[in-house]
Amino acid sequence: GAGVSQSPSNKVTEKGKDVELRCDPISGHTALYWYRQSLGQGLEFLIYFQGNSAPDKSGLPSDRFSAERTGGSVSTLTIQRTQQEDSAVYLCASSRDRTPNEQFFGPGTRLTVL
Amino acid sequence: AQKVTQAQTEISVVEKEDVTLDCVYETRDTTYYLFWYKQPPSGELVFLIRRNSFDEQNEISGRYSWNFQKSTSSFNFTITASQVVDSAVYFCALSEANTGRRALTFGSGTRLQVQP
Repeated sequence: GAGVSQSPSNKVTEKGKDVELRCDPISGHTALYWYRQSLGQGLEFLIYFQGNSAPDKSGLPSDRFSAERTGGSVSTLTIQRTQQEDSAVYLCASSRDRTPNEQFFGPGTRLTVL
Repeated sequence: AQKVTQAQTEISVVEKEDVTLDCVYETRDTTYYLFWYKQPPSGELVFLIRRNSFDEQNEISGRYSWNFQKSTSSFNFTITASQVVDSAVYFCALSEANTGRRALTFGSGTRLQVQP
């Protein structure tokens, strides 16, 4: 079946602009995660959605970052007023349910802020 | 707070050599899960194994084996008879079951280069 998909695969933007990154999880997966991978910080957790529960936003680095998940499926990560330090690969993952199961990762969106 | 340490930044071996990637973790949770992921040059993270804290049996899958030792908080990964296709960055990760934090805490990764 289809894996986790993310779009766009690459995004170049100017400092100060807003960007939206999209994630389509595997069908039927109730848990969805966003991570960020950068040279300096490695792989960092950003936000976690589980079903209809309130999301775990504890990893978001600032209030410029937000995410939503509509209908328990597709998720959008929004970064407002982008800064150069936001440049990274943004990874989305999904898993079957609440238990710490294997997370399936998407190919990522490479964000470059000029 | 949870933490995963992969002290080996980069390892280079020659094909057919055995190689062990180290992973040490810290957690206060009594129930937790440990993972290994592979990130080949293409970039996509590939799941290799999940191990829960109650199961200390070693596991072998083909050329891959994992040694979980709670006494030393380690979850090491060995590749036997390495191949060029094993070249990748390998990440160890931890997820806690009781704290509600389902997200993975990753180590910094070990880059494995297998030379022909």
